[in-house]
Amino acid sequence: DADVTQTPRNRITKTGKRIMLECSQTKGHDRMYWYRQDPGLGLRLIYYSFDVKDINKGEISDGYSVSRQAQAKFSLSLESAIPNQTALYFCATSEAGATSYNEQFFGPGTRLTVL
Amino acid sequence: AQSVTQLGSHVSVSEGALVLLRCNYSSSVPPYLFWYVQYPNQGLQLLLKYTTGATLVKGINGFEAEFKKSETSFHLTKPSAHMSDAAEYFCAVSDRVSSASKIIFGSGTRLSIRP
Repeated sequence: DADVTQTPRNRITKTGKRIMLECSQTKGHDRMYWYRQDPGLGLRLIYYSFDVKDINKGEISDGYSVSRQAQAKFSLSLESAIPNQTALYFCATSEAGATSYNEQFFGPGTRLTVL
Repeated sequence: AQSVTQLGSHVSVSEGALVLLRCNYSSSVPPYLFWYVQYPNQGLQLLLKYTTGATLVKGINGFEAEFKKSETSFHLTKPSAHMSDAAEYFCAVSDRVSSASKIIFGSGTRLSIRP
């Protein structure tokens, strides 16, 4: 079984619709992240959470919100989707503590298309 | 602030040829350094990482990278390319000073292998 799962894997929606992307992990990690990937831009951080009560904005949080329902679950919402939010979205996790070296473990991604 | 630059958005080599993917970083102190690989329709997986100690780091699938502090570089190499190496490769850095640090990704290099 995959350690980090994302649902859905693919989604096509229309401008103005509310969309939720879900991420679950069985690694027991405290830290979770949401990224978007666009061609030529690498991965950009949207939001991150270091524990259930800690939510932080990343470099491109406008137009997005998140919810950390439990240690294992971290959801990303687009309140009113727009076409330039069409991208590949990744969830990632990492351990806390110095010996983790901040290494992150990624889910398989969600391809979102906003028409 | 940390940053990472990958030289060349697309590299093409012949099967059996040397693979060299370039990465330079900017950081006030030597960071943790990572190479991740993304195969088509998959998430990112860790190839190798440099944390401390020996500057030549060996990873999976025959890849290795050398940390050169004087050149602020962490180039990825493989002596003999295989068709299965075709993927996108991301260099990344993380601040070793703070346990609350995040990873900064480069823009990626797409590696193509010619038969």
